[in-house]
Order: sequence, then structure tokens, then C-alpha cells
Amino acid sequence: GAGVSQSPSNKVTEKGKDVELRCDPISGHTALYWYRQRLGQGLEFLIYFQGNSAPDKSGLPSDRFSAERTGESVSTLTIQRTQQEDSAVYLCASSLRTSGIISYNEQFFGPGTRLTVL
Amino acid sequence: AQSVTQPDIHITVSEGASLELRCNYSYGATPYLFWYVQSPGQGLQLLLKYFSGDTLVQGIKGFEAEFKRSQSSFNLRKPSVHWSDAAEYFCAVGATGGGNKLTFGTGTQLKVEL
Repeated sequence: GAGVSQSPSNKVTEKGKDVELRCDPISGHTALYWYRQRLGQGLEFLIYFQGNSAPDKSGLPSDRFSAERTGESVSTLTIQRTQQEDSAVYLCASSLRTSGIISYNEQFFGPGTRLTVL
Repeated sequence: AQSVTQPDIHITVSEGASLELRCNYSYGATPYLFWYVQSPGQGLQLLLKYFSGDTLVQGIKGFEAEFKRSQSSFNLRKPSVHWSDAAEYFCAVGATGGGNKLTFGTGTQLKVEL
């Protein structure tokens, strides 16, 4: 596709339920990132994938959060036993392979999934 | 650890007036710096970026930003604001290595008065 897509665009769930958020990166982008944007705050890094592996999961706020990526393409962010503080917009971004110190590849962002936990 | 501060939560300017949005960063090496814009219901769009070289960088939509190492700042400017510029603006710093993850400021909400 032309850009990063995310589904669903909106998700309303009840406290304690599990949710899955999906991200389709730009074709050919091997790096994929998840960020969270809570109301009135900036984006917080959650996790990033290089290919199908996740070298940095440091931003995941608790063990209720997990993510996977298959086929160096689609990624799913799963939140188990959702809590009200999980309500936020979850943004996905993708880029060409991370280049380390020498250069930097631009991240392209999807439109986000707005999660509301009642 | 890297961090970004955007001291202005809200800014209101009149259409046609000049604009400056402030951004200060903390990072241990030469930073990669970015400004993104987020319009309602839209994803983040990159306005401009600084990696190295000329400290005044030009971006899309008539925006520019100046990197000042001595002040640890990367302020965004536009000489004449248009009503369509009303949006939220985020400054971000990118880590070198380690996946190049971005650390964002809390954003500045820009309102444009006609």
C-alpha cells in the first residue's frame, strides 16, 4: 500500500478484556515501531521490530502488553486485561532498515488506533 | 537518556503573523531532530529534520527550523501562518543506533485566528 495502515481505527472495550491492534507497514520497510499517545501527552515509544525480532521492548509499560511481527510485515500489539489507563491512541510507524549511527531512516506513521477502555 | 521539552502547550496567532514554536532537547551526542505535525484525525506528518550540516533546515509547507547546539534548541518557524496550519506540533529527537527510536515532546497546540 501507499502508506502505513492500522486497524481498527477505533476500539471500545470493557475493562479486563483483551484487545489486538494491527499494523500494516509500508512494503519493504523492515523496521516497525509502536508508540502510544495518551490524551494531552506526547508519543511514548513502546517497542520496535527489525524484521521479525524485537531488539528493544523497553517501552512496554507492563507484562500485559506484547507485540509480534510475522513475515517482516504485519505486526499485532496485544493488550491483555485492559485497564482504563490503557486508553490512548496507539500509533505504528515503519522505516527502511535502521541504519545505526551513520544515517537515519525516516519513520512513516499510520493514522493510529484510538483505544477506549470503559 | 534523551528528552525533549516543548514549553508552550498552546499558542494562538493571527493568520498572516509569524510563528515560532520552541523545542529544547537533551541528548549526549549530536542529535537527529525532527518536527512533526498532527492534524485532527490524521497521522503524524514529518515537516522537517536535522541530521547534520547546515543548521537552518527547510521543510514542507513553508516551515523552517534552526539547530542551535549552544542552546540545545531546535525551534520551528514560519514567516506567515495560514489558517490551515492549525494543528498540533511535535518535536522529537532520534537515538543513534539502537533502532533509532524517537523521543517526543508533549506537543504544542497551534490555534490560528482569522
